Amino acid sequence: DTEVTQTPKHLVMGMTNKKSLKCEQHMGHRAMYWYKQKAKKPPELMFVYSYEKLSINESVPSRFSPECPNSSLLNLHLHALQPEDSALYLCASSGRDRGWNTEAFFGQGTRLTVV
Amino acid sequence: EDQVTQSPEALRLQEGESSSLNCSYTVSGLRGLFWYRQDPGKGPEFLFTLYSAGEEKEKERLKATLTKKESFLHITAPKPEDSATYLCAVPSNQAGTALIFGKGTTLSVSS
Repeated sequence: DTEVTQTPKHLVMGMTNKKSLKCEQHMGHRAMYWYKQKAKKPPELMFVYSYEKLSINESVPSRFSPECPNSSLLNLHLHALQPEDSALYLCASSGRDRGWNTEAFFGQGTRLTVV
Repeated sequence: EDQVTQSPEALRLQEGESSSLNCSYTVSGLRGLFWYRQDPGKGPEFLFTLYSAGEEKEKERLKATLTKKESFLHITAPKPEDSATYLCAVPSNQAGTALIFGKGTTLSVSS
């Protein structure tokens, strides 16, 4: 099973709202990622978790707050977002082989619209 | 700085008309090159991993190859259902080996 499950699939939120995106995988992967993708652009890395610890934060604004409660779950907490944050948010996970990360598997994404 | 460049940006083919997509990379100590397919509004779908120059992988009408500087995704006798954006990615040394992506090639196959 190479499935990464993201919920919700669609989310509309106001600029004063607080919401959370959720991601789950059961492949035993210890690296998990959040990417942001705007229309007609490639996925852009936001955060990397390795063994449940935040290892990379690509200068993402503090209105995005990641959390990794355990090795299977990844959350992205959203607060006071701006309309320009509207995008497809993708979660991914990857395993390790020979000390390298193997291929990443992606969820279907959450389409976020900020109004 | 690690970089991935894909060409062409867009490709229109007739059904059955074979072609190739290119992915060139500059990264020190390549630890894999990955090809993905992405349909509109969906997450990228994993296709292939290539680790060393000379390696080839095939899946249905797709064949991926790797040299020391670039990778090709060959599409043989494409069908309309092959229409999608094809993304190439490499693990970045600056980002904890997370994938960095090229801008993709959008393939349209008409019948």
